[in-house]
Amino acid sequence: DSGVTQTPKHLITATGQRVTLRCSPRSGDLSVYWYQQSLDQGLQFLIQYYNGEERAKGNILERFSAQQFPDLHSELNLSSLELGDSALYFCASSQGLVGEQYFGPGTRLTVT
Amino acid sequence: SQKIEQNSEALNIQEGKTATLTCNYTNYSPAYLQWYRQDPGRGPVFLLLIRENEKEKRKERLKVTFDTTLKQSLFHITASQPADSATYLCALSGMNYGGSQGNLIFGKGTKLSVKP
Repeated sequence: DSGVTQTPKHLITATGQRVTLRCSPRSGDLSVYWYQQSLDQGLQFLIQYYNGEERAKGNILERFSAQQFPDLHSELNLSSLELGDSALYFCASSQGLVGEQYFGPGTRLTVT
Repeated sequence: SQKIEQNSEALNIQEGKTATLTCNYTNYSPAYLQWYRQDPGRGPVFLLLIRENEKEKRKERLKVTFDTTLKQSLFHITASQPADSATYLCALSGMNYGGSQGNLIFGKGTKLSVKP
């Protein structure tokens, strides 16, 4: 158990809908990262927050947004969902801005 | 743009042998490199981190080397066991987006199977 929690574990929704994925980092970790993993693309970095502020951005679609709250948990919002958004979404955390990351169990999103 | 290649999609070896996995990268000089293990349907698990000024790092049966001239890392598992069967991911620290190098760029992984 990495200490990172993610909810929900599974999510099935229809195209055009909006969903929110939630992540709680390990105790004491200030950075939260979001990654998307699909079969053909592998693990792709989406965004990083550090102590409430956005610090790095990957190829995150404009339909996706995230935030980190004062208690350091983070939410990833995905809107206007498309079939191609079906993937595993992982949250990871680290103590500082850089270094080893601890991944949560992931949320499996299926868009039908 | 940065490119990472893990040379083998799959590697099959016999129990007790040493598994050697390769990670090559181009167009980039990362500050550090990490290796993760991922089991099907689960999140990656951190194994080792090696910095650009380090040549080698060890942890129990694991060893990582980092050659910044060749732009290559080798990951070794000695005395391999069936329980070592998993996908192993190489990850490089990201480019300096917005002042942070915390984000990781992952290779597609090598699926290791250790047969008894």
